[in-house]
Amino acid sequence: ELKVEQNPLFLSMQEGKNYTIYCNYSTTSDRLYWYRQDPGKSLESLFVLLSNGAVKQEGRLMASLDTKARLSTLHITAAVHDLSATYFCAVDMAPGGGADGLTFGKGTHLIIQP
Amino acid sequence: DAGVTQSPTHLIKTRGQHVTLRCSPISGHKSVSWYQQVLGQGPQFIFQYYEKEERGRGNFPDRFSARQFPNYSSELNVNALLLGDSALYLCASSLSTKNYGYTFGSGTRLTVV
Repeated sequence: ELKVEQNPLFLSMQEGKNYTIYCNYSTTSDRLYWYRQDPGKSLESLFVLLSNGAVKQEGRLMASLDTKARLSTLHITAAVHDLSATYFCAVDMAPGGGADGLTFGKGTHLIIQP
Repeated sequence: DAGVTQSPTHLIKTRGQHVTLRCSPISGHKSVSWYQQVLGQGPQFIFQYYEKEERGRGNFPDRFSARQFPNYSSELNVNALLLGDSALYLCASSLSTKNYGYTFGSGTRLTVV
């Protein structure tokens, strides 16, 4: 059974600081997703990482994937209040994608204080 | 372009009742997946449908069923509702089962009392 673990589960940080969220998964996969969820809202796709060593950046967020270590990171640079949200990583285990669905971590609840 | 649309947005049901949730995927997307998100947890995979056939099923009881229509829209049905079925139900659409992009709808908030 695929397990996806995120840490930390809760993070409070100040604006302007840097921090990293970690996502470990238990079974070989080369497809990893990061989503953002605001309270009461749906999931917004942030990054899709499809190969070992993949690195993607959007604004103050950067995600990377190490399939050998079964680890993905989401790095926040110079945090701003608008980044406050819950961040989920999800792994797609099915060969060729999709049929077994995505397995999500429990999420990292991020609060960025002025 | 319209995104993934789900209806209703909110629903209150009594234990033992039946509920039907609906989802319309993005135009051109042929695959629909359903997820249950309990408050404070990550979404859990329930079903995936592609070309009107079930292609994947998560660890949910037989009270949960779904179907996909020729226009690729989908319904999720839950029978004999339990208090524990209270959750946000999310629908995700993708081009196919082999596509690596999933777009989620806004969800249906189901409360069972």
